[in-house]
Amino acid sequence: DQQVKQNSPSLSVQEGRISILNCDYTNSMFDYFLWYKKYPAEGPTFLISISSIKDKNEDGRFTVFLNKSAKHLSLHIVPSQPGDSAVYFCAASAKTTGNQFYFGTGTSLTVIP
Amino acid sequence: DTAVSQTPKYLVTQMGNDKSIKCEQNLGHDTMYWYKQDSKKFLKIMFSYNNKELIINETVPNRFSPKSPDKAHLNLHINSLELGDSAVYFCASSPQLGVAYEQFFGPGTRLTVL
Repeated sequence: DQQVKQNSPSLSVQEGRISILNCDYTNSMFDYFLWYKKYPAEGPTFLISISSIKDKNEDGRFTVFLNKSAKHLSLHIVPSQPGDSAVYFCAASAKTTGNQFYFGTGTSLTVIP
Repeated sequence: DTAVSQTPKYLVTQMGNDKSIKCEQNLGHDTMYWYKQDSKKFLKIMFSYNNKELIINETVPNRFSPKSPDKAHLNLHINSLELGDSAVYFCASSPQLGVAYEQFFGPGTRLTVL
């Protein structure tokens, strides 16, 4: 049972434009969400997180939006840079399951110079 | 200075063999994890472990066992390897078990079972 879904396996964006990566989840008990970035042959690295008590969290060029009613979160990258080209995973956890993280299958972002 | 390291990076072996993957973290974290990323790129938790508690994902076969000689190490032992065990295995760590906090991942070990 895949509780976290990223329905777009890939996304291409021109440098300088906005990249929007989407993530949907099914478990309404999830209360903490993260985005990870992964380069080839490396492990995922933490990018940004958001708690369910917020609907937006911003860190530099990266902003995560949470829509609890729609069980949807998105990551906005603006402006996009070629170095942002990577696979992005969203993950979710809930106190009720000991904060075990459930990951999506990732979206491969390519930023075209 | 690598925070979470894994060895080996690549592992190719025959069906039926027993193998181990080592993981070390120098972050002083209390909790370590093993994840499996299969061919569909689905990253799935296998184990969560700290000094006191081992949480096993019920879907993990008992051929897989984590072994922790100390807080900084969590090795993954796999007995009687099967073709379906081929995947990338990631080790991770976080400050505490059961507390929402980002996890720090190792570079992964690509296991190929022939």
